Amino acid sequence: AQTVTQSQPEMSVQEAETVTLSCTYDTSESNYYLFWYKQPPSRQMILVIRQEAYKQQNATENRFSVNFQKAAKSFSLKISDSQLGDTAMYFCAFMTVNRDDKIIFGKGTRLHILP
Amino acid sequence: DGGITQSPKYLFRKEGQNVTLSCEQNLNHDAMYWYRQDPGQGLRLIYYSQIVNDFQKGDIAEGYSVSREKKESFPLTVTSAQKNPTAFYLCASSSSSLQGEVYEQYFGPGTRLTVT
Repeated sequence: AQTVTQSQPEMSVQEAETVTLSCTYDTSESNYYLFWYKQPPSRQMILVIRQEAYKQQNATENRFSVNFQKAAKSFSLKISDSQLGDTAMYFCAFMTVNRDDKIIFGKGTRLHILP
Repeated sequence: DGGITQSPKYLFRKEGQNVTLSCEQNLNHDAMYWYRQDPGQGLRLIYYSQIVNDFQKGDIAEGYSVSREKKESFPLTVTSAQKNPTAFYLCASSSSSLQGEVYEQYFGPGTRLTVT
């Protein structure tokens, strides 16, 4: 079975600091995609970043970047220069390219950015 | 503006009543999904549909039903058979991976259902 594990239920950091959220996954597939979604207090789910497993280069989106370690099945999210608006639940998610369109989500990490 | 709408934002029902949650998208997406979110549980897939007039059960389909008569709409009915229906329900859509590509899912704002 494919699983996604987020080992940090909750984290707090000071504004402007850098924070890393951990995610590991388990799969026997070789072709898949990984995502980080953000859910702020409004509860609107927003895609933060995506990574194709066949790409060795780590994806980046402004202050957000990932550390993708395929052999270790690890997909951590780094938020640089954190801002108060980054306060949210963050979900790591996994999807295989097998035509069933299903995404598997981790249980989330609640991140608090402190002023 | 393109997007996904879910209505209403808050819904209250008495135990034993069926209730239908609305989900509409104008993104021209083929695939649509329903998730349930409970505290500490992440998102759990209820039903999904890759094409009109077809849908599949997700991980927690018992007590729920769906229809997909139009590409834009994917309503979810929470039946009286659902043992613990109080939860936050999220609808999502994406382009279908039937063509071999993978597309991220876009989410609606959610509906908070409370059954008493």
